[in-house]
Amino acid sequence: DAGITQSPRYKITETGRQVTLMCHQTWSHSYMFWYRQDLGHGLRLIYYSAAADITDKGEVPDGYVVSRSKTENFPLTLESATRSQTSVYFCASRAGTSGITDTQYFGPGTRLTVL
Amino acid sequence: EDKVVQSPLSLVVHEGDTVTLNCSYEVTNFRSLLWYKQEKKAPTFLFMLTSSGIEKKSGRLSSILDKKELFSILNITATQTGDSAVYLCAVAPYGGATNKLIFGTGTLLAVQP
Repeated sequence: DAGITQSPRYKITETGRQVTLMCHQTWSHSYMFWYRQDLGHGLRLIYYSAAADITDKGEVPDGYVVSRSKTENFPLTLESATRSQTSVYFCASRAGTSGITDTQYFGPGTRLTVL
Repeated sequence: EDKVVQSPLSLVVHEGDTVTLNCSYEVTNFRSLLWYKQEKKAPTFLFMLTSSGIEKKSGRLSSILDKKELFSILNITATQTGDSAVYLCAVAPYGGATNKLIFGTGTLLAVQP
């Protein structure tokens, strides 16, 4: 399907386990982003990527790792999950720099519960 | 520190009412302001504003930006129950090659029949 997809949509894991959230987009957008959304905090940026093999930290990167070996994929890994990482995770993408194209398009989200 | 503040936090109205949602910001090197609608899923894009005083309109929704006073409003006329959602405001600053968005915490709108 065209657009931006995330998998899994729901995940329950235990403290200390490693878990990877997948994000795939078919638009060939240069920029990709990972956010977490929690009550009272809104959307907070975890990591972002401007292109394949270029990633950088956002506002709340601790405990997360990302990679971007291909333009279309941007996985987010929790190396050792903690209860505080229970959240809804959104992936987003944005086109390149031609003109003002600040609009980000969001995936459907992954609801992660860490027990 | 850059920040985006939305008000009110929540709002309950009846169908047919007109609502105004507010977004104020303190952001270094402002580039654009965006509005999103979030129902029980991903945020969906509504508007992007870059210039003061130019209204963007889509059906019953409209938005305007005031870069001097550093705020934007989102108006919804003749509200319907399908307008019930969280409305998010975000600002994109210049700087680097990232075009990160800084989000407010949102306004929860509930439209009662």
